[in-house]
Amino acid sequence: GESVGLHLPTLSVQEGDNSIINCAYSNSASDYFIWYKQESGKGPQFIIDIRSNMDKRQGQRVTVLLNKTVKHLSLQIAATQPGDSAVYFCAETDNYGQNFVFGPGTRLSVLP
Amino acid sequence: NAGVTQTPKFQVLKTGQSMTLQCAQDMNHEYMSWYRQDPGMGLRLIHYSVGAGITDQGEVPNGYNVSRSTTEDFPLRLLSAAPSQTSVYFCASSRGPMGEQYFGPGTRLTVT
Repeated sequence: GESVGLHLPTLSVQEGDNSIINCAYSNSASDYFIWYKQESGKGPQFIIDIRSNMDKRQGQRVTVLLNKTVKHLSLQIAATQPGDSAVYFCAETDNYGQNFVFGPGTRLSVLP
Repeated sequence: NAGVTQTPKFQVLKTGQSMTLQCAQDMNHEYMSWYRQDPGMGLRLIHYSVGAGITDQGEVPNGYNVSRSTTEDFPLRLLSAAPSQTSVYFCASSRGPMGEQYFGPGTRLTVT
């Protein structure tokens, strides 16, 4: 995994605005990517996933974009709500799907 | 379904003590994993299992043992606890190698 510091990157957005959370990955062999949401004191919760043969996937209020050229993943949250406040992690794995590597996380704060 | 359950929720150990963190799932998932999460960081894979009787090492396996005698249970054993093992431990399960991982609520372990 990547080396990380003690301070998470933080993104603050106004309620109702769209949020974009970014993630860079390093393994060009990674084939499958997942975004997780982690609320304080809880385990990570699956949000959305994408395979490397796709560049975009949409869910309910969320969209994941994958740019394999620059090894970049993003999570877009539409009409951000207070309940979206959490830490968001991206995770990657190869096509065996057995060894997930998590990114350092981004803390999303939704302002009233 | 209870999903993924972990016990205990909290544990304090002295250096050199051993203990077992329990993990169980009732979703008949083949894949199970153990992660540790240190403050302000993402999750790191300790060990994983692709089915009963099969286990393998993840990114940070030293100091931990696992076994998978049944589909439901995947205990994590600390052989001789060290302060560096102070962390929050999460167990996860999934139906297959790719796809949504379901996480337990975590065990917060402190080694003094």
